[in-house]
Amino acid sequence: GAVVSQHPSWVICKSGTSVKIECRSLDFQATTMFWYRQFPKQSLMLMATSNEGSKATYEQGVEKDKFLINHASLTLSTLTVTSAHPEDSSFYICSARGWEQSNTGELFFGEGSRLTVL
Amino acid sequence: GNSVTQMEGPVTLSEEAFLTINCTYTATGYPSLFWYVQYPGEGLQLLLKATKADDKGSNKGFEATYRKETTSFHLEKGSVQVSDSAVYFCALSASWQGAQKLVFGQGTRLTINP
Repeated sequence: GAVVSQHPSWVICKSGTSVKIECRSLDFQATTMFWYRQFPKQSLMLMATSNEGSKATYEQGVEKDKFLINHASLTLSTLTVTSAHPEDSSFYICSARGWEQSNTGELFFGEGSRLTVL
Repeated sequence: GNSVTQMEGPVTLSEEAFLTINCTYTATGYPSLFWYVQYPGEGLQLLLKATKADDKGSNKGFEATYRKETTSFHLEKGSVQVSDSAVYFCALSASWQGAQKLVFGQGTRLTINP
């Protein structure tokens, strides 16, 4: 199946700094990418949807100025957590789909990135 | 709205036992239904799916049938293996804000003991 890769897989940062997480589709063109946040023992919460070349669409309650999402190419999306605080510590997961999956809903997931803010 | 409710875990079984993980959903329209699996240290991957009522999805010995009358999509396997230990997520595909998106259940952690 299609491969999605995230980097870094884990990151520790100081409070107040910004952290960037990359999500790449390695063998297909990702027309749409999604960013999820997963709390311990909880489900994946959709944060935002991004289409290549367009501004991301954020879900209700997600601060767009804190979680900056860029989807500048068909193989790369980035999530930047700005001025991170301990409550931003979480597991962030990206997923992607190409044209073929646009009507089926199927997604391909990255391995996730664990952020710890001290 | 759209939501998915899964059987709470964790679930612990012995090898070769029969597995059922319950999943029910609430949705407007006719969503597609999915089971995703997350093995330790890996990303979620699609296990099986069903796109319309009465469809049965199957893969790696796992099965789930799309039951519209009971709004359910329970995951079953007749004889589990240690390698099936993972977290299983039920999900539905719904459309809002002009895009097809996935809504996940809370996940069920499955541990199979030898």
